[in-house]
This record gives sequence, structure tokens and C-alpha cells, in this order.
Amino acid sequence: EIVLTQSPATLSLSPGERATLSCRASQSVSSSLAWYRQKPGQAPRFLIYDASSRATGIPARFSGSGSGTDFTLTISSLEPEDFAVYYCQQRSTWPWTFGQGTKVEI
Amino acid sequence: EVQLVESGGGLVQPGGSLRLSCAGSGFTVSSNYMSWVRQAPGKGLEWVSVIYSGGTTYYADSVKGRFTISRDTSKNTLSLQMNSLTTEDTALYYCVRSGADWGQGTLVTVSS
Repeated sequence: EIVLTQSPATLSLSPGERATLSCRASQSVSSSLAWYRQKPGQAPRFLIYDASSRATGIPARFSGSGSGTDFTLTISSLEPEDFAVYYCQQRSTWPWTFGQGTKVEI
Repeated sequence: EVQLVESGGGLVQPGGSLRLSCAGSGFTVSSNYMSWVRQAPGKGLEWVSVIYSGGTTYYADSVKGRFTISRDTSKNTLSLQMNSLTTEDTALYYCVRSGADWGQGTLVTVSS
């Protein structure tokens, strides 16, 4: 099973600041990596697929990069709704796995 | 508009069974890969099972042999039959279309 390790566990920032989240895979997942945002009490929302492609309706402040084992999600300027938990997820090899999450807090 | 509505969750005793359903609208269930993802209270996400448009299925090791994913093309629904439930299966179960669209989830509680 591919293990995804996200860092940091918690990121304390203010609205308007830049957020950089990391996801490291225990073995190569090529570019088969997605990112999700989950706000409290809500289902996850699909943000990024194939490591760097934004999903439909996702604003340009979200960008993804990386391939192989190291990936980054960048939020260029935090909006109030971006304070949430972010998960990376690999679809390279079954079982698909998620990282443990990064909480972005004010 | 794509919509996914889960149902069938509830309280069940250890060793019991439950069948979850997911009604899809705005798309055809059988034309997409459909999954079940669960989230234990206060925990992260776990991909439980997937069924591809061609019918191939995969299961997480934690549920293999106990859970069965299926779909009903006439009703445009996805199902998850869960047998031999344990307290470890307590979670909110989400129905997911192609990794992109998620339902609001149905809560399964396994407790005596």
C-alpha cells in the first residue's frame, strides 16, 4: 500500500497569505495525485487532479505541482472559506490512499 | 446538475449487516467509475471500494470478503452490501462519482 505523508499537520495563516501544503508518497505515483478540501460538517470538495489540473469551477488561486513522490498544493491568497482540512490522494495503485490531512487554520 | 444521495445507514450490532444505496441524478451511474469512501468520526478519509464502468471492482483490505459493491442500471443506483460488521466500520459513508462529485454521506454506527 502506498503511504501518503502530508506536512505540516497544521498550518496557521491569515486571510490573504500564501499557503503551501506538501504531500509525499512512499513510492512513485507518477502524476496520479488529487487534492481535496473538506470544511467542517461537509463532504470533501475535489480541487486538483493529475497533480496539477484544476477541477471544474475551482478558482485559479489553487495550484498543484509535482510528480513521482513529491507534490505541493499552493493557495496563492487565502480566502475565509479556505480554512479547512486538505487531503491528498493517489490513484496510481489500488488500494487508493489518502494522506492524513493538513489543517489550515487562522 | 450531478447529485448523489446516500441512504441506508443506521445503528447495527457487531456481526450484523447493512445495505447502503446511492441514488444518482444528472448522470448515468454505469458510465462512470463509482466509489464508496468512508470517514470514521474525527478521522481521515478511507477509500472502501470502487466499481468501474466495465464492472471491475476493487476493495480495501479492511473490507475485502465482507463488503460487496454493485449497481442497478435500471434505477441508476450504487449499492454497498456490508456484512460481518465490526465497530471499526463505524463511519460516515460517502458515495463518489469519478472521484469528483460526492454525496453528503450516510452514517453507519456499529455498536452493541
